[in-house]
Amino acid sequence: GAVVSQHPSRVICKSGTSVKIECRSLDFQATTMFWYRQFPKQSLMLMATSNEGSKATYEQGVEKDKFLINHASLTLSTLTVTSAHPEDSSFYICSAAWGYANYGYTFGSGTRLTVV
Amino acid sequence: GESVGLHLPTLSVQEGDNSIINCAYSNSASDYFIWYKQESGKGPQFIIDIRSNMDKRQGQRVTVLLNKTVKHLSLQIAATQPGDSAVYFCAETENQAGTALIFGKGTTLSVSS
Repeated sequence: GAVVSQHPSRVICKSGTSVKIECRSLDFQATTMFWYRQFPKQSLMLMATSNEGSKATYEQGVEKDKFLINHASLTLSTLTVTSAHPEDSSFYICSAAWGYANYGYTFGSGTRLTVV
Repeated sequence: GESVGLHLPTLSVQEGDNSIINCAYSNSASDYFIWYKQESGKGPQFIIDIRSNMDKRQGQRVTVLLNKTVKHLSLQIAATQPGDSAVYFCAETENQAGTALIFGKGTTLSVSS
């Protein structure tokens, strides 16, 4: 149980275009989802926390107008990288919290974004 | 905000040895800790977790130790196998609604046969 599906797994886009990454909870309702970014040989850095039906909370230094997060339903959150540039090339990973009182966390398989 | 760190970036062991990976955390309010394994190009894979009301927890070939006094966490892997080669992260959270996991820097474990 508690499976998160993330798509696409890899995407290459041209500089200046936008890319959407989807994160779906398959067998549970995720009231809270998290988006992380991971550069090569580095750790996962939290970008934002999204709650269903409300605006996402972004970490310091993450541009909310560039990384648009939508959490319109309890099973789907999307991250759109707008006007992508080569420096946005990274591994993006979503996560969802599940349970009550003692929360569990499950992760998507990640999306490798390459901006050329 | 506060973050979780790791003492060593790499650890090389021989197959069959026991491995110990360490982690120091700084948020005294954290009460839930998880160790993850990450292989290249994949998302984090849950290994074992521990809550702050415990100081030791065992799984299959893995043991997590928590020392709240010095804010230290360790992962012990018994009889390390080549398939254990990966990057290992500790993560911590206050485990309240809407609170994210914060990850440490990671330790790369290399197992040679």
